[in-house]
Amino acid sequence: AQSVTQLGSHVSVSEGALVLLRCNYSSSVPPYLFWYVQYPNQGLQLLLKYTSAATLVKGINGFEAEFKKSETSFHLTKPSAHMSDAAEYFCAVRNTGFQKLVFGTGTRLLVSP
Amino acid sequence: DAGITQSPRHKVTETGTPVTLRCHQTENHRYMYWYRQDPGHGLRLIHYSYGVKDTDKGEVSDGYSVSRSKTEDFLLTLESATSSQTSVYFCAISESQGNSYNSPLHFGNGTRLTVT
Repeated sequence: AQSVTQLGSHVSVSEGALVLLRCNYSSSVPPYLFWYVQYPNQGLQLLLKYTSAATLVKGINGFEAEFKKSETSFHLTKPSAHMSDAAEYFCAVRNTGFQKLVFGTGTRLLVSP
Repeated sequence: DAGITQSPRHKVTETGTPVTLRCHQTENHRYMYWYRQDPGHGLRLIHYSYGVKDTDKGEVSDGYSVSRSKTEDFLLTLESATSSQTSVYFCAISESQGNSYNSPLHFGNGTRLTVT
């Protein structure tokens, strides 16, 4: 069965610091992986997706993620946090043959001045 | 935003009453989904649809039913609402062109349901 695990329900960083949000996946076949962001009282927006074309994926708002098969990871990073990055971030996985997207439990990013 | 409208945006209802939430899309996408979001659980799939009158269960389907009589509308019904169904409900759509497995989901803004 496919699943994702997000380590840390809350991550706190200072403005300008590196952002690292962790996601590990479990899949018996090469997965499709996604990161979404949710701002308060809104739906989820797609940040980026991995579809096997390249292991380093660049997304919106300066975020990127690297697919590491050996570590079954797809961590999300941003070199320099901005106050506007404060939100909840979700990792999700989908396998070929399944239309369902399975989400992790989310990580809330807090950015302090 | 993708053309997804959820209604109502907020609903308070009493235990035991039926409730229907509506999702309307203007994108003509084949796939539609209902998720619920709860603290500590992320988003969990309730039901999804892969075409008109074609639906399937997700991981938390008990107590819920769905219908899709038109491409643009996907209805979620709580047959007899319980307090455990207090949640935020999100509708999502996904296109079916080409390799649909790497097509992202696009989400509506959610319906906040409170069952008292």
